[in-house]
Parts: sequence; C-alpha cells; structure tokens
Amino acid sequence: NAGVTQTPKFQVLKTGQSMTLQCAQDMNHNSMYWYRQDPGMGLRLIYYSASEGTTDKGEVPNGYNVSRLNKREFSLRLESAAPSQTSVYFCASSGLMDNEQFFGPGTRLTVL
Amino acid sequence: AQTVTQSQPEMSVQEAETVTLSCTYDTSESDYYLFWYKQPPSRQMILVIRQEAYKQQNATENRFSVNFQKAAKSFSLKISDSQLGDAAMYFCAFYTGTASKLTFGTGTRLQVTL
Repeated sequence: NAGVTQTPKFQVLKTGQSMTLQCAQDMNHNSMYWYRQDPGMGLRLIYYSASEGTTDKGEVPNGYNVSRLNKREFSLRLESAAPSQTSVYFCASSGLMDNEQFFGPGTRLTVL
Repeated sequence: AQTVTQSQPEMSVQEAETVTLSCTYDTSESDYYLFWYKQPPSRQMILVIRQEAYKQQNATENRFSVNFQKAAKSFSLKISDSQLGDAAMYFCAFYTGTASKLTFGTGTRLQVTL
C-alpha cells in the first residue's frame, strides 16, 4: 500500500498563475483533508471531505477550491496564486475511526 | 472553538536522557482524542501516540508515554532513553467528532545532543 500520495512534491508559481495539487489514498478511507503548514503556526485545515461528494471549509479556505473526484482522490486548486499562499501543503485521510489521520509527504509551494 | 497550546518552541535533551514536552488544550467537549505527531526533517507527519479522553489510563508506546490530566486539560509527552532519531518537530493535536477535524499546536522542536 502506498498510503497517501501527493503530487507534485515541489512547485514554484508566479503570482496569478493557477495550479492543482493532487492527492490520492489507497486505504479506502472516507474522509480526506487538506492542510497548510507555515512556520510557527502548526498545520491549519483548508478544506475537508467527510465522504465522497461532500466538501466543507476549514479554518483557512480563502483562495482555494477543492474537488472530491471519487473516494480515492481529493484535489486542491489555487485559481490565482498569491505570495501569501507560499507554504507546505499536506493531504491526509482517515477511515471509520476518523480520529487517526494518515498524512501524505507534503508539497512545498513557492509563489513569487 | 478548540485551541491547542505548546508553550515550548524548542527543547534539548542529551542522548539516553528523558524529556517531557508540554501541551495544553481548551475545549467544552467531553468526548475527544489527543495525539502527538512527529515531523522529522523529511517532512513526513508520523503518529507517535494517541489518547482517548474517556480512558483514565495514560497511553504508552515503547519509549513514548503521555501524562493526560483531563481536569487540567494537559497532555504532555515523555520520551525516555532519547535517541538521535527522536530529533524532530513534535505537534500536539486535538480531535473531536463534532468538529471532524484535527486542531494542531504550533509545535516543539526537539534537539538531541550527544
């Protein structure tokens, strides 16, 4: 099992460009999450999906959109990247127990 | 809203010694879960230990144990016989089913010296 995979691992964008971060899990988990990690601030929830077909805003959703494509995949889109979105992005998933989350390796995004 | 506070930005411990990382939280919920995650330089988030709030017994995983004080809303992590591989950022996190999300503290960077 690969667990939770994320692509790409690194990305550099110019202000105003768009991109989609991909996430997939092979653990048959119902719930999936997107976090961002900034220095001194821990991980903050951007969006989550409790099940296929549903998505909900987290703590810092502005500037992002998500799509739960199917049970395995949950993508995060930046429509018009801003320097404030420079961060490390983590995808996570959890199963029926819901409280234990498994994390992907992260994507380091730099917006110039 | 739930909050998680880690008041020690950095800690240092000598190899083979014991270190305790502090975490406090604030919630009005009675049913919740607490976690410690480790983030080494590789960036991967690794679950170290989990505690269910309804359990009075403190969780233990090999060299890692917690001191869970529910009334004080305190959840500290003790690392015994510290090893060089324990050097990492450690995050305390809180989960409740009503919010369906993890709330993280700001982390403690642990350095292990020879």
